[in-house]
Amino acid sequence: DAGVTQSPTHLIKTRGQQVTLRCSPKSGHDTVSWYQQALGQGPQFIFQYYEEEERQRGNFPDRFSGHQFPNYSSELNVNALLLGDSALYLCASSSGVTGNTIYFGEGSWLTVV
Amino acid sequence: LAKTTQPISMDSYEGQEVNITCSHNNIATNDYITWYQQFPSQGPRFIIQGYKTKVTNEVASLFIPADRKSSTLSLPRVSLSDTAVYYCLVGDGLDTGRRALTFGSGTRLQVQP
Repeated sequence: DAGVTQSPTHLIKTRGQQVTLRCSPKSGHDTVSWYQQALGQGPQFIFQYYEEEERQRGNFPDRFSGHQFPNYSSELNVNALLLGDSALYLCASSSGVTGNTIYFGEGSWLTVV
Repeated sequence: LAKTTQPISMDSYEGQEVNITCSHNNIATNDYITWYQQFPSQGPRFIIQGYKTKVTNEVASLFIPADRKSSTLSLPRVSLSDTAVYYCLVGDGLDTGRRALTFGSGTRLQVQP
């Protein structure tokens, strides 16, 4: 049973460019959340998707957008990249069952130069 | 959201028991307490969760006093591989798989040989 898988693992982008990160949730999970983790900090919640809609959103600008597909996989898109967007982007997988554990992927390292 | 306070860092030696205490004075009646472990360049991993008294699993124990204003994660006989950042989280409402997790800066545990 595959866990949460993310791609790519590392990437480098230039300021102003756009990036797309991908996540496949753990088997049986229908909910995907995205987190940003800057170096030395704890993860910060970006947004959450289930039933192909954004359900919750953290304090992130509209440059951050996402999508969930019918197979529950998800994409995180960031437009007009800033140097400060350099971080580890984590995908978390879960379901709506009470008490269900939330599982994280190993993340995608984004460096903006 | 209930805010948590935990030590920035702790040092220990292999074979010792490590106790990491987290303060959460504003915890709500229906909040759960959850601990995550994060190794460098990996996503956080669920360790243990509890509501009151004591919870034990194969990895750790969680002690929660009656007033629930603090909790202590206990790691028995740590090894070098327990070197990681440990996060204490307090749930916002019912513990469901769809809650947005709020991470603080965590406690950086360094285990020495």
